[in-house]
Amino acid sequence: GNSVTQMEGPVTLSEEAFLTINCTYTATGYPSLFWYVQYPGEGLQLLLKATKADDKGSNKGFEATYRKETTSFHLEKGSVQVSDSAVYFCALNTPRKLIFGQGTELSVKP
Amino acid sequence: DTAVSQTPKYLVTQMGNDKSIKCEQNLGHDTMYWYKQDSKKFLKIMFSYNNKELIINETVPNRFSPKSPDKAHLNLHINSLELGDSAVYFCASSPLTGSGTEAFFGQGTRLTVV
Repeated sequence: GNSVTQMEGPVTLSEEAFLTINCTYTATGYPSLFWYVQYPGEGLQLLLKATKADDKGSNKGFEATYRKETTSFHLEKGSVQVSDSAVYFCALNTPRKLIFGQGTELSVKP
Repeated sequence: DTAVSQTPKYLVTQMGNDKSIKCEQNLGHDTMYWYKQDSKKFLKIMFSYNNKELIINETVPNRFSPKSPDKAHLNLHINSLELGDSAVYFCASSPLTGSGTEAFFGQGTRLTVV
């Protein structure tokens, strides 16, 4: 079946540190892949997406590349800020619904 | 000009009560969803509607009944609330099921059953 696995949190970093949040997926066919972000007390917002293999999604300094050979879509940012503190969700799009990973909480300290 | 709006944002109620959560989207999307987020932040789909027709019902207890009066609205009615129903419920919409486009989420309704 289809599933998404993310690295467990919480992840705590200092400001300006490099961020990687790992995401791997299992899917039939060729799903689109997404990263969503949930700031405290808010709903989910799309951060970036990739719709086919080797696509790179990017937004607000975050990047992720759709790797079919490793079934991965790792999220990276070169220099995190306190304002990036949030929960990050990796997701894939099946014909009927979005399937989410378990979420990774990121806390960035000044 | 909120794209997906849910009401209420917070709902505190006693066990055994019946409550409703409303959702509206002004994006012209065909598909709407209800997701449940538990205390560990895990998101699980409950229902999906496409043009007012139910297309997903993910083994949700039949105390939960979605209603879609038109394709811009998807409400969630919950009967006989239980402590385990406490969670954040998110409404979402997307243009087309199966497409590469993303879903747009509401702000969530935090339901607390006491």
